[in-house]
Amino acid sequence: TQLLEQSPQFLSIQEGENLTVYCNSSSVFSSLQWYRQEPGEGPVLLVTVVTGGEVKKLKRLTFQFGDARKDSSLHITAAQPGDTGLYLCAGLPSGGYQKVTFGIGTKLQVIP
Amino acid sequence: DVKVTQSSRYLVKRTGEKVFLECVQDMDHENMFWYRQDPGLGLRLIYFSYDVKMKEKGDIPEGYSVSREKKERFSLILESASTNQTSMYLCASSTDTTLFHGYTFGSGTRLTVV
Repeated sequence: TQLLEQSPQFLSIQEGENLTVYCNSSSVFSSLQWYRQEPGEGPVLLVTVVTGGEVKKLKRLTFQFGDARKDSSLHITAAQPGDTGLYLCAGLPSGGYQKVTFGIGTKLQVIP
Repeated sequence: DVKVTQSSRYLVKRTGEKVFLECVQDMDHENMFWYRQDPGLGLRLIYFSYDVKMKEKGDIPEGYSVSREKKERFSLILESASTNQTSMYLCASSTDTTLFHGYTFGSGTRLTVV
């Protein structure tokens, strides 16, 4: 069982559409991050959120951390082919010595 | 920018061989990590190190060992490669353990064991 559940696992959309992907858990996280990974490359950090309810924007990407710090969402406005990739969330559970856990990822394809 | 360099992008090895995967970072990070990434399983932590000559087991250390003789270099060793170790191996480094600054990943080594 994954500590961080990402949905959907696969998403194929047309250029210009909006989309939201989710990262959910029953655990509380002290911080959570989103990465994008292109084929054959390592993940690249997009954003870190640490405060419940926090919203961060990165151009057309909007990231939100849930109020209870158990979940997060990534919304992309007017998707472009360059947004294609695997989106991973990663979190550090709260409470004591914990290791970072990664979700399996959402594979996004934006069709021109 | 922090750079994490993995020595090989692609490797093909035979069953039973001893395999070394090298990782070097250039920003004086104390923390370094080895993950493997498999479809449907995500990233799984193999080993990590918070300091020179220090190592700790991750979630799937069986069949692997590591070496950290210098701060900038963290090596993953497959003692006797097996076909179930065919995977994408990712090295990462970070400046802290809180994840606030995130991980910087290398480009990965795609290892095939035949």
